[in-house]
Amino acid sequence: EPEVTQTPSHQVTQMGQEVILRCVPISNHLYFYWYRQILGQKVEFLVSFYNNEISEKSEIFDDQFSVERPDGSNFTLKIRSTKLEDSAMYFCASSDAGATYNSPLHFGNGTRLTVT
Amino acid sequence: RKEVEQDPGPFNVPEGATVAFNCTYSNSASQSFFWYRQDCRKEPKLLMSVYSSGNEDGRFTAQLNRASQYISLLIRDSKLSDSATYLCVVNNNYGQNFVFGPGTRLSVLP
Repeated sequence: EPEVTQTPSHQVTQMGQEVILRCVPISNHLYFYWYRQILGQKVEFLVSFYNNEISEKSEIFDDQFSVERPDGSNFTLKIRSTKLEDSAMYFCASSDAGATYNSPLHFGNGTRLTVT
Repeated sequence: RKEVEQDPGPFNVPEGATVAFNCTYSNSASQSFFWYRQDCRKEPKLLMSVYSSGNEDGRFTAQLNRASQYISLLIRDSKLSDSATYLCVVNNNYGQNFVFGPGTRLSVLP
């Protein structure tokens, strides 16, 4: 079964450093997402991406965050200057037909980001 | 009102029990509904989509009540392997966004 893959599985960084989290969505999917989950809390939406542009973003997704699809397969999340509160599990997800068409999300295994 | 709310849990049930989870959502225009399960420190995994007429997949039954903006998940004959957090997921019809409930934790005890 096709999978969403994320790298790295764990990233440790110092406050103020830039990090790039990488994802390879399922190949025929068109909608891409980043979610995060702080330990013990709910899964929170960050951003959705379709047709090479952001389709929606949450309040969490401020100017320090950016997303990119640099080639036909990768989908990246960049955090420019990490803060302690950015420590969380970051999940990439993809779907084939988007949120309004009963098309479910398929998640990667996540990247655990630890900011020290 | 929060966008998606769920029974707070946790639910501790013996093997073989039947357990039901409830979820309410605030956006009356939502069209897509799902139940996911999440094991500790793992990614959410799709359990089942929820259709208007209700649907069943083995021991799992999902129901949708649009008028009350309510979704339920019934698990029959619980197994130890059903122990997980169950997440109610609803689309935000204003955009390409899925909203997750806080989850209900289930522990099935031997």
